[in-house]
Amino acid sequence: DSGVTQTPKHLITATGQRVTLRCSPRSGDLSVYWYQQSLDQGLQFLIQYYNGEERAKGNILERFSAQQFPDLHSELNLSSLELGDSALYFCASSGNSASEQFFGPGTRLTVL
Amino acid sequence: AQSVTQPDIHITVSEGASLELRCNYSYGATPYLFWYVQSPGQGLQLLLKYFSGDTLVQGIKGFEAEFKRSQSSFNLRKPSVHWSDAAEYFCAVVPPQGGSEKLVFGKGTKLTVNP
Repeated sequence: DSGVTQTPKHLITATGQRVTLRCSPRSGDLSVYWYQQSLDQGLQFLIQYYNGEERAKGNILERFSAQQFPDLHSELNLSSLELGDSALYFCASSGNSASEQFFGPGTRLTVL
Repeated sequence: AQSVTQPDIHITVSEGASLELRCNYSYGATPYLFWYVQSPGQGLQLLLKYFSGDTLVQGIKGFEAEFKRSQSSFNLRKPSVHWSDAAEYFCAVVPPQGGSEKLVFGKGTKLTVNP
């Protein structure tokens, strides 16, 4: 158990819908990262937050957004969903700049 | 282009045999280097990491990796594989460009262990 929790574990929805994925980092970790794992793209970095502020952006679509709240949990919002958004979405957290990231179990999103 | 390459998509070994998974990176300077393992239906678990210093790094579950600057490689090894090692293995780097600790992953190597 990494100490990072993600909810829900599975999510099935339809095209055009909007969903919110939630992540709670390890106790004391200030950084939260979101990654997408798909068969065709592999594991890709989406976005990083550090202590409530956006720190880095990767290949994140404009339909996707994220935020980190004062209690340090984070949410990834995916809107206008397309079939191609079906993937495993991981959250990771780290507590220092040395980049050791601890991953949650992931949320599997299926868009029908 | 800057990247992480795992040349082997799928490797099959017999239980008890030795294992080496290859990883090469293409960056101007040495990045931070990591190996993660993903068991079916599970998240990613860190096996080991290299930031600097001794080029032979010991990790969990009996794994080790060797950093070779001249070859831009960070290969993962295990002397004797167990059936429970069947999983997908990802090499990852934090690029040496500063500003973010985002991980860049290779495409992964799926390990099958035969009894």
